Amino acid sequence: EPEVTQTPSHQVTQMGQEVILRCVPISNHLYFYWYRQILGQKVEFLVSFYNNEISEKSEIFDDQFSVERPDGSNFTLKIRSTKLEDSAMYFCASSEFGTGGSYNEQFFGPGTRLTVL
Amino acid sequence: GDSVTQMEGPVTLSEEAFLTINCTYTATGYPSLFWYVQYPGEGLQLLLKATKADDKGSNKGFEATYRKETTSFHLEKGSVQVSDSAVYFCALSGRHSGNTPLVFGKGTRLSVIA
Repeated sequence: EPEVTQTPSHQVTQMGQEVILRCVPISNHLYFYWYRQILGQKVEFLVSFYNNEISEKSEIFDDQFSVERPDGSNFTLKIRSTKLEDSAMYFCASSEFGTGGSYNEQFFGPGTRLTVL
Repeated sequence: GDSVTQMEGPVTLSEEAFLTINCTYTATGYPSLFWYVQYPGEGLQLLLKATKADDKGSNKGFEATYRKETTSFHLEKGSVQVSDSAVYFCALSGRHSGNTPLVFGKGTRLSVIA
């Protein structure tokens, strides 16, 4: 069964360093998402991406964050200069694209735990 | 803005016990409602959904009914198994169609002991 994969499973970095979190969405999906969950808090939407551009973003997704689909399979989230408060579990998700009346299920990866020291 | 509140965990139950995890929401309009489950080491998986008032979503013995009057979508299962041990997330989508971001609750960890 196709699944979303994420690497690495755990990333430890120093404050101020750049990190890139990687995701491989399901191959025929066209819509991609990043969410994060700070320990003990809610899963929060960061950004969605379609047709090589950002479709929606939340107020969390500021200039320190960027997303990219560098090739036909990977979808990445870059944090330019990490802060302590960026420590969280980051989830990637993908879905089919549709304009009809039904919800397009989002399929989630297992997450990357980012620890900023 | 839209929000979801679900009961705090962790919840520990004996096998075959009845499960209820409460979820209430705040949203403008008529959201779609979901329960996602995360088993250890895996991603969030859609467990069930309901798209309009009085709809009942069901899957794997779990049920939840969309109650507009109480803005609730409580998850229930009549007899839990050890394999149901996981984290359960209530979520909503503020729009009915297409590719919309989900709004999640904090998650409730369920442990079922034999």
